[in-house]
Amino acid sequence: NAGVTQTPKFRILKIGQSMTLQCTQDMNHNYMYWYRQDPGMGLKLIYYSVGAGITDKGEVPNGYNVSRSTTEDFPLRLELAAPSQTSVYFCASSYPRGETVHTQYFGPGTRLTVL
Amino acid sequence: TQLLEQSPQFLSIQEGENLTVYCNSSSVFSSLQWYRQEPGEGPVLLVTVVTGGEVKKLKRLTFQFGDARKDSSLHITAAQPGDTGLYLCAGALRETSGSRLTFGEGTQLTVNP
Repeated sequence: NAGVTQTPKFRILKIGQSMTLQCTQDMNHNYMYWYRQDPGMGLKLIYYSVGAGITDKGEVPNGYNVSRSTTEDFPLRLELAAPSQTSVYFCASSYPRGETVHTQYFGPGTRLTVL
Repeated sequence: TQLLEQSPQFLSIQEGENLTVYCNSSSVFSSLQWYRQEPGEGPVLLVTVVTGGEVKKLKRLTFQFGDARKDSSLHITAAQPGDTGLYLCAGALRETSGSRLTFGEGTQLTVNP
């Protein structure tokens, strides 16, 4: 299994441009997540999905959109890039190990710079 | 305001020393996890604790969940350069599903040879 894969690894955008960050997992996990990681700020949840066709906002959803048409794919869309969206973006997937515990598996990240 | 406070934020020690990293909150968690992240990679799960007072050991790493399930600690004995990385605690709030995690800001550990 490849686990969670993300593309691209690096990207530089100009202000106002749009792009889609791709995320695919081959573990048949129902749950998928998008986080952003800023220096010294840990991970902040942007959006998550509990299954195909179901998405919900996390802590910092403004400026982003997601879709989940299949179990495997969970793309993140930036419509009008802003410098505040410069960050490292991580996609993750998980499965439940009981009522209160999920094991999350992370992709390698996409480093995005908006100039 | 950060829901999970980690301390210290940075730690630089010599090989062979012991260290403890703390993760504190005023909220109660149904479970708490510790992850380690290396440069250019995503976090990797080290351990999950679910019971108040629970202690788990992973080789030289000892993890403890507070009795009230509001805090946790990670103790490393005889640190080695391979332990270098960003250590993140993450909790699942009792009010929400275990699928949603709240992350601390992380502790950047550097172990010098």
